[in-house]
Amino acid sequence: GNSVTQMEGPVTLSEEAFLTINCTYTATGYPSLFWYVQYPGEGLQLLLKATKADDKGSNKGFEATYRKETTSFHLEKGSVQVSDSAVYFCALGVLSGGYQKVTFGTGTKLQVIP
Amino acid sequence: SQTIHQWPATLVQPVGSPLSLECTVEGTSNPNLYWYRQAAGRGLQLLFYSVGIGQISSEVPQNLSASRPQDRQFILSSKKLLLSDSGFYLCAWGTEDTQYFGPGTRLTVL
Repeated sequence: GNSVTQMEGPVTLSEEAFLTINCTYTATGYPSLFWYVQYPGEGLQLLLKATKADDKGSNKGFEATYRKETTSFHLEKGSVQVSDSAVYFCALGVLSGGYQKVTFGTGTKLQVIP
Repeated sequence: SQTIHQWPATLVQPVGSPLSLECTVEGTSNPNLYWYRQAAGRGLQLLFYSVGIGQISSEVPQNLSASRPQDRQFILSSKKLLLSDSGFYLCAWGTEDTQYFGPGTRLTVL
């Protein structure tokens, strides 16, 4: 079956540090890949996505590249801010019988300190 | 633009009581709709999905049920809540290649 593995948290960084959150996946077929962000007490927000190999998704300074050869979709940001503190979920989605079946990682909590 | 609403935002219910959570979507027609549960400190578990009015599929056996009485309305119900039903319930609507989530309902069963 499909699965997503992302690095254990929490990750604690100082403001303006470089961020990498690792994500690898196992899937049959050609999945789309996503990063979602969840702020405390809120729902998930789509941060970025990539739908095919070598695509780069980007949003709000975050980037991730769909690497089929390494089955990875690592999230990066060059300079984090306190407001980036949240839980980040890597996910993959495949079409199955008319709907999109999404498999989520367990989430990585990021804490950015001033 | 599309908007998804959930209510109530928080709910505290005694064991054995009924449950009704509502989700509505604006700005799109015939969306795929999903209910997820997020238990404390864990990932998301898909509970139900719907590809059209009256069409409900369940991913896991449990004492919850779902209904879709209108195109953009999705309801999660239970006749008798269990302690293990506590969690954060998220509704999502989807296109063919992306899902978008609502703000969630925090349910505490005591």
